[in-house]
Amino acid sequence: EDKVVQSPLSLVVHEGDTVTLNCSYEVTNFRSLLWYKQEKKAPTFLFMLTSSGIEKKSGRLSSILDKKELFSILNITATQTGDSAVYLCAVDTGNQFYFGTGTSLTVIP
Amino acid sequence: EAQVTQNPRYLITVTGKKLTVTCSQNMNHEYMSWYRQDPGLGLRQIYYSMNVEVTDKGDVPEGYKVSRKEKRNFPLILESPSPNQTSLYFCASRGPNTEAFFGQGTRLTVV
Repeated sequence: EDKVVQSPLSLVVHEGDTVTLNCSYEVTNFRSLLWYKQEKKAPTFLFMLTSSGIEKKSGRLSSILDKKELFSILNITATQTGDSAVYLCAVDTGNQFYFGTGTSLTVIP
Repeated sequence: EAQVTQNPRYLITVTGKKLTVTCSQNMNHEYMSWYRQDPGLGLRQIYYSMNVEVTDKGDVPEGYKVSRKEKRNFPLILESPSPNQTSLYFCASRGPNTEAFFGQGTRLTVV
């Protein structure tokens, strides 16, 4: 059975902290892994990862994929209150997207 | 502007009354899909379509129907809604080797 597991389920940090969100997967036909941010509305796209070891970066956010160990991490440095959201990891198998249940991040001022 | 448009955004209905949630995309994507999102369960795929007249079941298809008569539209049909279909629904589309683009969501309550 294809599955995507995210950890931790929730996280509370103070502004300025650095956080690491984890995503592990087991799928039969991997094409890419995607990260989304969801703030009480539609998920918004952050990163798409297809190759191992190549870090993708956007401002304070970065992500990397390990296809041998079947996981990805999303790092957020110098967190801000605007980073508070649910972060979703998804794996694209070509036919379907499998989503994890998400990590709820709360950043306290 | 590239977008996926769902309607309605909010809907309260009664058990057994047929309803349709519309989804339209303007990016000429071949792939479209429907998801429901429930607390603690994340996003689960209901149905997907690889192209016009080609649809397939996702992980939770029971109680739902879809059709894909045109490339841009992919409506979700609940023939006889039940309270356990109360959920937040998202439509999405994607092109080859792109991310999924999501609609704004439809919050459905079945009483």
